[in-house]
Amino acid sequence: DIQMTQSPSSLSASVGDRVTITCRASHDIGNYLAWYQQKPGKVPKLLIYGASTLHSGVPSRFSGRGSGTDFTLTIISLQPEDVATYYCQRYNDALGAFGPGTKLDFK
Amino acid sequence: EVQLVESGGGLIQPGGSLRLSCAVSGLSVSSNYMTWVRQAPGKGLEWVSVIYSIGNTYYPDSVKGRFTISRDNSKNNLYLQMNNVRVDDTAVYYCVRRLSGYYDYWGQGTLVVVSS
Repeated sequence: DIQMTQSPSSLSASVGDRVTITCRASHDIGNYLAWYQQKPGKVPKLLIYGASTLHSGVPSRFSGRGSGTDFTLTIISLQPEDVATYYCQRYNDALGAFGPGTKLDFK
Repeated sequence: EVQLVESGGGLIQPGGSLRLSCAVSGLSVSSNYMTWVRQAPGKGLEWVSVIYSIGNTYYPDSVKGRFTISRDNSKNNLYLQMNNVRVDDTAVYYCVRRLSGYYDYWGQGTLVVVSS
C-alpha cells in the first residue's frame, strides 16, 4: 500500500507570508494528487486536483506542483481566512488515501 | 445545486449495527462514484468505502468485512451499513462524490459515537 506523508505537521505564519506544504508518496503516483482545506469545524473543501489544477472558485494565491512522489501546496500572501488544516490525497488507485494533514495557524 | 445530506448517526454500543443514509440531489448516485469518508474527533480524514457506477465496491482493511456501502437508484440515496462497530469507528461520517478519484462534493456529515 502506498503511504502518504506531509510536512510539516503544523506551522505558524503571518498574514502576507508565503507558505509551502509538502506531501510525499512512498511510490510513484504520477500526478494523481489532490489537496483539501478544512477550516475549524467545517467540511473539507477541494482546492487542487491533478497535482496543479485549481478547483473552481479557489483563489489564485493557492498553487500546487509536483509529480511522481513529491508534491507541494503553496499559498502566496497568506490571508486570515486560510487558517485551516490541509490534506493531500492520492487517487492513483481505488483506495484514495489521505495524508495526515498540516495544521496552519497564525503567529 | 448539488446537495448531500447524511442521516442515521448516533450513539451505539460496541458490537452493534447502524445504517447511515445519504440523500443526494443534483447528481445521480448511479452514474457517479460515491464514497463515505470519516473523521475521528481531532484526527485526519479516512476513506472507508466507495461504490463505482458499475457497482464495484471497495473498502480499506480497517472496515472490510464489517461495513457495506450500497445505493438505491430509485431514491438517489447512498447507504453505509456498519456492523460489529468498534470504539475506534467513532467519527463524523461524510457522504462524498468521488470525481475521477478526488472528492469534490461533500455532505455536512453525521456523527457516530461508539461507546458502552
